[in-house]
Amino acid sequence: AQSVSQHNHHVILSEAASLELGCNYSYGGTVNLFWYVQYPGQHLQLLLKYFSGDPLVKGIKGFEAEFIKSKFSFNLRKPSVQWSDTAEYFCAVNAPPGSSASKIIFGSGTRLSIRP
Amino acid sequence: SAVISQKPSRDICQRGTSLTIQCQVDSQVTMMFWYRQQPGQSLTLIATANQGSEATYESGFVIDKFPISRPNLTFSTLTVSNLSPEDSSIYLCSVKRGAPDNEQFFGPGTRLTVL
Repeated sequence: AQSVSQHNHHVILSEAASLELGCNYSYGGTVNLFWYVQYPGQHLQLLLKYFSGDPLVKGIKGFEAEFIKSKFSFNLRKPSVQWSDTAEYFCAVNAPPGSSASKIIFGSGTRLSIRP
Repeated sequence: SAVISQKPSRDICQRGTSLTIQCQVDSQVTMMFWYRQQPGQSLTLIATANQGSEATYESGFVIDKFPISRPNLTFSTLTVSNLSPEDSSIYLCSVKRGAPDNEQFFGPGTRLTVL
């Protein structure tokens, strides 16, 4: 079965600082990878996704993530954070359609707090 | 994308009662899921709702506590039975269309508080 680990539970940064949130997964086969964001009081939104191709994927709001297969990692980055990026960030993994593991499994989440 | 609606959006229930949550999608989808998000926690998959057959439950979740129906390709219900305060959570419906599109979409959630 697949699993996802997010080692940073709570990250506190000042505005304009650079961000990197770690995500590692365990699954032996081909995977699809996602980052979701949940702003305070709002529902889950997709930030970006990796299915195949270029391992560096760009998402909304200036976020990007890099898939490193050899490290089973999919870290989220943003060069300069804003106060409005304060939210909970979830890394997720699933297997492609047709696989018995084709259901999204979430990491424990990382709470990001940005100081104005 | 898929537009997902859930009813109710929130409810407050007494211990021992049950709550049924409805999930409606604006288009036919192959897979529907139910997740739980307990306060301050991540999302945990409860079960996959299978059209025309019994749902597939994840470890730690059972049909007696979380009966699920899926009568067609656009609708599903989740019932949380014999409520206790520990069931206070947000319950989310999620859907996937299937190959080649493997993106999964999430509903707005139902916030349940059990007194």
